[in-house]
Amino acid sequence: QKEVEQNSGPLSVPEGAIASLNCTYSDRGSQSFFWYRQYSGKSPELIMSIYSNGDKEDGRFTAQLNKASQYVSLLIRDSQPSDSATYLCAVNHGDDKIIFGKGTRLHILP
Amino acid sequence: KAGVTQTPRYLIKTRGQQVTLSCSPISGHRSVSWYQQTPGQGLQFLFEYFSETQRNKGNFPGRFSGRQFSNSRSEMNVSTLELGDSALYLCASSNYREGYTFGSGTRLTVV
Repeated sequence: QKEVEQNSGPLSVPEGAIASLNCTYSDRGSQSFFWYRQYSGKSPELIMSIYSNGDKEDGRFTAQLNKASQYVSLLIRDSQPSDSATYLCAVNHGDDKIIFGKGTRLHILP
Repeated sequence: KAGVTQTPRYLIKTRGQQVTLSCSPISGHRSVSWYQQTPGQGLQFLFEYFSETQRNKGNFPGRFSGRQFSNSRSEMNVSTLELGDSALYLCASSNYREGYTFGSGTRLTVV
């Protein structure tokens, strides 16, 4: 059973600080990794994708991938109240089936 | 560029009935996946279609089925509805190994 694990939170972070979200996955053959943001009552929205080891930066967001440790993370710099949402880690295991973690609830404290 | 369109947005059905949900993917996307989202279980993979063929299937009973048409539009059907089928059903389209783009979902309530 291929699994994607996330801490459910809530993770509370002061406004302006760095929020760090973590995810582990079980299948070493996984090839593509994604972070989605989901606001309450809305559908998930893709915010980052990463395919190779290392860091990938996009604005205030940085995705980090370590395939040896089967670990992927998302850093949000200068956190804003609008970043308060549930963040879903998703992994493509190579068979084009994307498995989602259950998500981490992030709460940015004004 | 139009996004992923799901219809209907909301649906109320009675136990034992069946329901059909529709999804129109982004133009040019040939892969369509369906997910069930509930507060307790998160996003659960139902199935994925590519060029009218089911490529992957999740761990759901046979009451859940789907299909994809030649224009990439997809439908999913749930027969003999149970109370536990109440959920948000999300459709997502993809253009080969890219992340999915989700539709707004269909909120199904079974009473």
